[in-house]
Amino acid sequence: SYEVTQPASVSVSPGQTASITCSGDKLEDRYVCWYQQKPGQSPILVIYQDNKRPSGIPERFSGSNSGNTATLTISGAQAMDEAVYFCQAWDSNTAVFGTGTQVTVL
Amino acid sequence: QVTLKESGPVLVKPTETLTLTCSVSGFSLNNPRMGVSWIRQPPGKALEWLAHIFPSDEKSYSPSVRSRLTISKDSSKSQVVLTMTNMDPVDTATYYCARIEFSDLDVWGQGTTVTVSS
Repeated sequence: SYEVTQPASVSVSPGQTASITCSGDKLEDRYVCWYQQKPGQSPILVIYQDNKRPSGIPERFSGSNSGNTATLTISGAQAMDEAVYFCQAWDSNTAVFGTGTQVTVL
Repeated sequence: QVTLKESGPVLVKPTETLTLTCSVSGFSLNNPRMGVSWIRQPPGKALEWLAHIFPSDEKSYSPSVRSRLTISKDSSKSQVVLTMTNMDPVDTATYYCARIEFSDLDVWGQGTTVTVSS
């Protein structure tokens, strides 16, 4: 079955840039979404179709997908961005989630 | 405003069948561009996709639990139902339903926590 992998954690200083990777075989052939989940809350969609932002998501969130790696970038990270981020792709009509990356802003 | 809300038992016993209902509003289950997925998350762990259903009645299940799952919908009631048989303590998790638009899970419910214990 298809798998996507993420680093367990990423740390970033306030105002700096955080990059979260999602790796999978020929991932560029699939659309990738990114979800943000804060403690005790439901996930929310922050990037869809590799690089599109839903309405209401700040411009500091961006995405890319090339080769075997998709990347979520948070430019000018803020304390409110501290959360777990999950990537997700589709394989044979089934959704596959990454293991999640804890982003710490300190 | 699009909302989804999960409901079901808080506690089930091992070997019992779990039935969860997702009640949706703000969109139609007959909209051909939209489906509904079920996803679960054990405490402190990652998200796990379980199943989805589309207006055409197209269904798909996670290979790891396929034999235990059934997903169905009642468009007149705006509800999607997931049943999972032979529950085990490892199935303890928060269960979410989410709308699918194209390939994105764009709106999620608040989740419902299910504990499996005797």
